[in-house]
Amino acid sequence: ETGVTQTPRHLVMGMTNKKSLKCEQHLGHNAMYWYKQSAKKPLELMFVYNFKEQTENNSVPSRFSPECPNSSHLFLHLHTLQPEDSALYLCASSQDRGGQETQYFGPGTRLLVL
Amino acid sequence: GQNIDQPTEMTATEGAIVQINCTYQTSGFNGLFWYQQHAGEAPTFLSYNVLDGLEEKGRFSSFLSRSKGYSYLLLKELQMKDSASYLCAVRDHDYKLSFGAGTTVTVRA
Repeated sequence: ETGVTQTPRHLVMGMTNKKSLKCEQHLGHNAMYWYKQSAKKPLELMFVYNFKEQTENNSVPSRFSPECPNSSHLFLHLHTLQPEDSALYLCASSQDRGGQETQYFGPGTRLLVL
Repeated sequence: GQNIDQPTEMTATEGAIVQINCTYQTSGFNGLFWYQQHAGEAPTFLSYNVLDGLEEKGRFSSFLSRSKGYSYLLLKELQMKDSASYLCAVRDHDYKLSFGAGTTVTVRA
């Protein structure tokens, strides 16, 4: 149990669908992150939220839309995705985005776009 | 930007020692992390180095040389459960983490 949960764990969607990924952290952290992990490639940072404010958008296409209603919850809204968006999407949290704080990861949502 | 290199795969025998090297070229440095990721699971934190030298945590140790842009993760007394991917990550002055592609370690009996 890492303290960071993600739902769903697996998702298959068509290119015209709209779906949302959910992340919840139970660690009292203030910063939350979305990463994309493709096979044999490094984790790619997508978005960073610190105290509910988006502080980083790493040139992510607009078909990915994040939402952070509070410090414990983070969503990633998906629409009109492409097959190359198939990957493992990982959520992480840390006490703050600075200092020596370690990021704690959720188990990820494995997404397949058909 | 960051350029982080680590070997793709390593194989070792149960009870042995394996050293995973990581080299990096960065526009700024504010710490280096090692994570372990079992297949289908979340990456879990192993170690953090920000100053030169060796950090030891039980069977795992991590070393950093900032002048050489080099780190290694040392796994001693290997166990079957250590079979996993090991991720090297560098944090820059904006506190962004950049990850290497990971090293898959296979432990054989």
